[in-house]
Amino acid sequence: EAQVTQNPRYLITVTGKKLTVTCSQNMNHEYMSWYRQDPGLGLRQIYYSMNVEVTDKGDVPEGYKVSRKEKRNFPLILESPSPNQTSLYFCASSLSKGGYEQYFGPGTRLTVT
Amino acid sequence: GQNIDQPTEMTATEGAIVQINCTYQTSGFNGLFWYQQHAGEAPTFLSYNVLDGLEEKGRFSSFLSRSKGYSYLLLKELQMKDSASYLCAVNTNAGKSTFGDGTTLTVKP
Repeated sequence: EAQVTQNPRYLITVTGKKLTVTCSQNMNHEYMSWYRQDPGLGLRQIYYSMNVEVTDKGDVPEGYKVSRKEKRNFPLILESPSPNQTSLYFCASSLSKGGYEQYFGPGTRLTVT
Repeated sequence: GQNIDQPTEMTATEGAIVQINCTYQTSGFNGLFWYQQHAGEAPTFLSYNVLDGLEEKGRFSSFLSRSKGYSYLLLKELQMKDSASYLCAVNTNAGKSTFGDGTTLTVKP
């Protein structure tokens, strides 16, 4: 089944404790992206990647890192999480940038205390 | 930067037609997307426009005017299950993807 998976689905952590949210797709997509969604707001793009070893900042990259060492994986790293990073995170992938729809993972609900 | 505006909330009656508008300002436009998101779930793709005009897909249609920076999503024969948030998103040539804040549609019997 074609899908985007994220792990973990739920995470409660403390300020400053490094964490990684994994994202994997099995559709051989070139483009992958991370978003955060806060109440009343749409999706805000954190980082995106147009292919292996190619990543770029979205609109809200501060406090996040990403890597794209393999085509299928695009982990999101929070080196020193803070409470303002409490949010719902979605990973997405598409065939390529531009004119292709994005397929979203199920979301990761992160709480930083 | 990019700016996308859409109404925060709309209400409509089952069986009716509703139009959700979206205006945008962007450079390097490379397509406008509409996604549906039910509460607590991930967004799912509804429609895509890159050229001016209307794209029809069953009960859903989407229109784009690039010169006006305007799009709308038209939902016909509304059903209760159409109650959801509808997100307008613009992609650029550089690869960025910007979403509006979403329109929460409530369908009433």
